[in-house]
Amino acid sequence: AQSVTQLGSHVSVSEGALVLLRCNYSSSVPPYLFWYVQYPNQGLQLLLKYTSAATLVKGINGFEAEFKKSETSFHLTKPSAHMSDAAEYFCAVSDYAGGTSYGKLTFGQGTILTVHP
Amino acid sequence: DADVTQTPRNRITKTGKRIMLECSQTKGHDRMYWYRQDPGLGLRLIYYSFDVKDINKGEISDGYSVSRQAQAKFSLSLESAIPNQTALYFCATNGAGGGTGELFFGEGSRLTVL
Repeated sequence: AQSVTQLGSHVSVSEGALVLLRCNYSSSVPPYLFWYVQYPNQGLQLLLKYTSAATLVKGINGFEAEFKKSETSFHLTKPSAHMSDAAEYFCAVSDYAGGTSYGKLTFGQGTILTVHP
Repeated sequence: DADVTQTPRNRITKTGKRIMLECSQTKGHDRMYWYRQDPGLGLRLIYYSFDVKDINKGEISDGYSVSRQAQAKFSLSLESAIPNQTALYFCATNGAGGGTGELFFGEGSRLTVL
């Protein structure tokens, strides 16, 4: 069984400050990991994904995440927050089994990011 | 046009009514999913289908049923709606046809059960 824990249901930062959203996972197979963002009244949009290539993954809007197997973590960072980054962020793990055997995703509880001036 | 389309986008109904949420996709994916989003709980999987003849229960399937009418269509039904089924429902797809396993989501169907 796989699971995801996002530490902190709410994170508040100042505009221009570092954004750090924490995600720890549990998986019985080498994981595929994802970060999604949900802006108010919208669906989920993929920010970035780790699929066993480079451990430092760059995504859209200046976000990046680092896969650390020893810590079972996949934290999301952005060097400088912008007001438009205010949204809810979800970490997810896939029970991907290789080839085209794409599995279902298990999501964390979500972290709401607030950016204040 | 959206690749994954959900209808209706918003629905208000009463306890005991039957409700169907529909999902269609043009991505050519073989796998389709229904998730439910509640504040503080993230997204939880209700049902998923890996092809037309394959239907599987997720972690919270009680009170729900699904139908995979075609590769591109996957419907979620609430046979007798109850207030704690008030939530935001998402349809998603992945699988053969592109990508590396990530889900592609519809815009959501907000259901309110009074």
